[in-house]
Amino acid sequence: KAGVTQTPRYLIKTRGQQVTLSCSPISGHRSVSWYQQTPGQGLQFLFEYFSETQRNKGNFPGRFSGRQFSNSRSEMNVSTLELGDSALYLCASGQAAGANVLTFGAGSRLTVL
Amino acid sequence: EDQVTQSPEALRLQEGESSSLNCSYTVSGLRGLFWYRQDPGKGPEFLFTLYSAGEEKEKERLKATLTKKESFLHITAPKPEDSATYLCAAETTDSWGKLQFGAGTQVVVTP
Repeated sequence: KAGVTQTPRYLIKTRGQQVTLSCSPISGHRSVSWYQQTPGQGLQFLFEYFSETQRNKGNFPGRFSGRQFSNSRSEMNVSTLELGDSALYLCASGQAAGANVLTFGAGSRLTVL
Repeated sequence: EDQVTQSPEALRLQEGESSSLNCSYTVSGLRGLFWYRQDPGKGPEFLFTLYSAGEEKEKERLKATLTKKESFLHITAPKPEDSATYLCAAETTDSWGKLQFGAGTQVVVTP
């Protein structure tokens, strides 16, 4: 059974650019959540999607956005990148809405120069 | 303000030396308390969910317990493969789907 797939795994951007990260959930899972992980702040919730609807959003500026498609795949976008956006971005999928049992992907490591 | 605090930050154990990790939480309306394990270069891996005080769950050498203010993860007779960062997280009734994570406890088990 394939796990949660995140692409790209690594990327380097410069300040002011934008980035789009992709997440393919486990087949049959309809919930996708995104988290940011940094050494200083740990794991912080970004947003949760279920059946293409954003159900919950964390305390991040409007530069962070996301969406979910009808096949449950999800993308998150960060515009006008700042140095502080350097982090590991983790996607997790679940069978139902809510945290329940989440399966995380390996993450996308973003470095902003 | 909701808070999840883990202690200790790091723990070094000899193989076979049992110990406990602590996760204290101050949240309004706990829906579930989760434990995850994270290995370097990987995403967190689900271990347990606890929903009510007094609940206990076990998996191999790990046992998680929950009280009204804290949760413990007991590691019995650990092996080197138990080395990882252990994360606890709380989900509240008014933020369903949002996990608030603690900073984690880094566990190293030496042979």
